[in-house]
Amino acid sequence: QSVLTQPPSVSGAPGQRVTISCTGGSSNIGAGYGVHWYQQLPGTAPNLLIYANSNRPSGVPDRFSGSKSGTSASLAITGLQAEDEADYYCLSYDSSLSVYVFGAGTKVTVL
Amino acid sequence: QVQLQESGPGLVKPSQTLSLTCTVSGDSISSGSYYWSWIRQPAEKGLEWIGRIYTSGSTNYNPSLKSRVTMSVDTSKNRFSLKLSSVTAADTAVYYCARGTVGDIWIPPTLWGLGTLVTVSS
Repeated sequence: QSVLTQPPSVSGAPGQRVTISCTGGSSNIGAGYGVHWYQQLPGTAPNLLIYANSNRPSGVPDRFSGSKSGTSASLAITGLQAEDEADYYCLSYDSSLSVYVFGAGTKVTVL
Repeated sequence: QVQLQESGPGLVKPSQTLSLTCTVSGDSISSGSYYWSWIRQPAEKGLEWIGRIYTSGSTNYNPSLKSRVTMSVDTSKNRFSLKLSSVTAADTAVYYCARGTVGDIWIPPTLWGLGTLVTVSS
């Protein structure tokens, strides 16, 4: 069980906005460590969507955005598209465990 | 275009040592401000950070695996490696090698290999 908690699944219709939460604690997100987000399409390696809470690598559509507040972070996907159907993982550092930790992942389904 | 490619046995017997190599092509492993990491993913499960190594040889390992993990880098062959000893079925997973960036901001891995499935079974 990860120290970063994500909902197992979220869904939305095409064009809608969905958000995925990543809840941590005082030794990770709440300690000020950055939160990063990956998208993993079936059978492929993860792809970085957001780093350091809210920064998008070049090539990532601006439909993806990240935010952080307190001990939680969120990934928002606006204008949901069929190609967004994938697993999404948050990542941060935990000072108690002394390791980078991933959330358990959230499956996004486009209805 | 820089690419990473994992290689190694796809089947390892319990109690033996898993050995994987990640070959970097398209650029020198020593160029830029990068670290080189290993991440694994059991089937239908989430991602687990194994550790990272710098071309200086400096390493950071996941404490839960630290007693069994060794990472090394061979700059002359433009590759880095992972050894995981005393494996059990719980170590069965897809193993990814990946490159991240250090600088003013730590950036998690943006360049990944395709991954290689390692099964631990007798």
